[in-house]
Amino acid sequence: KAGVTQTPRYLIKTRGQQVTLSCSPISGHRSVSWYQQTPGQGLQFLFEYFSETQRNKGNFPGRFSGRQFSNSRSEMNVSTLELGDSALYLCASSPQQGPYGYTFGSGTRLTVV
Amino acid sequence: AQSVTQLGSHVSVSEGALVLLRCNYSSSVPPYLFWYVQYPNQGLQLLLKYTSAATLVKGINGFEAEFKKSETSFHLTKPSAHMSDAAEYFCAVSASGTYKYIFGTGTRLKVLA
Repeated sequence: KAGVTQTPRYLIKTRGQQVTLSCSPISGHRSVSWYQQTPGQGLQFLFEYFSETQRNKGNFPGRFSGRQFSNSRSEMNVSTLELGDSALYLCASSPQQGPYGYTFGSGTRLTVV
Repeated sequence: AQSVTQLGSHVSVSEGALVLLRCNYSSSVPPYLFWYVQYPNQGLQLLLKYTSAATLVKGINGFEAEFKKSETSFHLTKPSAHMSDAAEYFCAVSASGTYKYIFGTGTRLKVLA
């Protein structure tokens, strides 16, 4: 059974640009969440999607957005990149709403220069 | 509101010794609690979870954790450390009915030969 797949694994962007990260959840999983991991702030919740609807959103500026498609694949977009957006972005999926515990992907390492 | 405190950002143990990683939580509602492990350049792997069933939870790789409501703790233990246990460990809490995880700041475990 394939795990959570995130693409690309590494990305280098320039300040002011925008970026789109992709996440393919485990087959059959309908809940997808995104987290940002940085040395200073640790793991912070970005948003969670279930059945193409955003159910929860973390405390991030509007430059961070996401969406989920009918096949449960998800994308997150960051516009007008800032140096502080450099981080490991982790996607996680779960079968459905419930205390199942998320399965995380290996992440996308974004570096903003 | 939920929060998690992990005591000790770095823990060193000798190979074969007991591993004890501490996690205290705060939650205004019955919590779900999780322990994750992260190896370098990888995502998070679920070790175990507490979802209000048995208070002693057994996970993968010989790890277990005990939910103690009176102490608001969910400490992670392993009787005998192995070199392959060296990694960063994260405790997380979520309130039932939500899918937002609050993560602790992590404990980096070093296993000495």
